[in-house]
Amino acid sequence: SQKIEQNSEALNIQEGKTATLTCNYTNYSPAYLQWYRQDPGRGPVFLLLIRENEKEKRKERLKVTFDTTLKQSLFHITASQPADSATYLCAHTGGGADGLTFGKGTHLIIQP
Amino acid sequence: EAQVTQNPRYLITVTGKKLTVTCSQNMNHEYMSWYRQDPGLGLRQIYYSMNVEVTDKGDVPEGYKVSRKEKRNFPLILESPSPNQTSLYFCASSYTGGSTDTQYFGPGTRLTVL
Repeated sequence: SQKIEQNSEALNIQEGKTATLTCNYTNYSPAYLQWYRQDPGRGPVFLLLIRENEKEKRKERLKVTFDTTLKQSLFHITASQPADSATYLCAHTGGGADGLTFGKGTHLIIQP
Repeated sequence: EAQVTQNPRYLITVTGKKLTVTCSQNMNHEYMSWYRQDPGLGLRQIYYSMNVEVTDKGDVPEGYKVSRKEKRNFPLILESPSPNQTSLYFCASSYTGGSTDTQYFGPGTRLTVL
């Protein structure tokens, strides 16, 4: 089965810099990867989806890349702000209806 | 406003006392699911439902039951709760459960079983 690995340690970034979060997966290449944001005590909120045949996806200050050779997706937040502080979750969907397989998340802290 | 609602938001109970956590969505979604979130383990799927009267086990179904009698509702039932079911629970829904569907999550239910 697919395993999703994220660096679950906190990542501290200075305001204004680019934050880069890593999502590694094992086994076969997942068809899709989704990224979610989760604030303390709240449900995850969808941010971006990238397909295996896409190299890059952007949405405002967010960018996701997908490298099937490295079995890795990178999530970038440019011009980071303290309001971007949250836990970011990477999730795999391989098709079908068995839901998402989540990584444990990376806690991002943007320091003023 | 499109949303997934859960009740209660917080619940403290004792071992063996049956409880139900309700989940409702107003987006006419076919697919609904339940997750639990534990420190160090992340989000894990408990059960999911493709449509009315269609349910199936996720990764950690032991000790839980679900039903889907109406499209909008997907309650999670703990017949005999145990302390290892103390967790943060999330209900989620999407249009069809397809791989490109966005999952919409509820606000969560924090359950403590003493």
